[in-house]
Amino acid sequence: QVQLVQSGAEVKKPGASVRVSCKASGSTFTSYYMHWMRQAPGQGPEWMGIINPSGDGTHSAQKFQGRVTMTRDTSTSTVYMDLSSLRSEDTAVYYCARDRGGRIVDYWGQGTLVTVSS
Amino acid sequence: AIQLTQSPSSLSASVGDRVTITCRASQGINSALAWYQQKPGKSPKLLIYDASTLESGVPSRFSGSGSGTDFTLTISSLQPEDFATYYCQQFDSYLLTFGGGTKVEIK
Repeated sequence: QVQLVQSGAEVKKPGASVRVSCKASGSTFTSYYMHWMRQAPGQGPEWMGIINPSGDGTHSAQKFQGRVTMTRDTSTSTVYMDLSSLRSEDTAVYYCARDRGGRIVDYWGQGTLVTVSS
Repeated sequence: AIQLTQSPSSLSASVGDRVTITCRASQGINSALAWYQQKPGKSPKLLIYDASTLESGVPSRFSGSGSGTDFTLTISSLQPEDFATYYCQQFDSYLLTFGGGTKVEIK
């Protein structure tokens, strides 16, 4: 049974950075690309970026380039997403998700609420 | 970037109804489209991929069709557990894009 367990909710001030972690179990972690998405209140999901199985290649959406960093630790089957220069519009639930292949996103983490407020 | 437009944005239906949701892409995407179901406070759940392939474990009352720019998700007989928001999603190289969602509510 594949499980993606994310870190807990965060409250940050504008201008700060946040790190969200996502620990995988139940599958061969190093075989899969991993995505990061976010979902603002009342909105649909928004793709942020992807990291390759070995962790040495990433691609992010243009709107997040320069602010998002994705990494993975294969020894602990964990992926990380760092988002810097936070602003109120970054308040959202952030999700990690597994890419089965062919950009089929089959498993999602439970979500991490990041609140940006002064 | 390719945009996905879902319609309707919301609908009211009764248990047993046949429900159809459409998703239109701003340019042709062959069959590179998936459908997800999301319930309040939960993560999205994959229902359909490659436009018409049912994900393992998903009830057969769900079906998908279409290719190119026009796609449809159909629920043949709406069940109480199907009241949720549905999203289409496409991929273009590394970029994923989601539709705006269709909320299915109880009539």
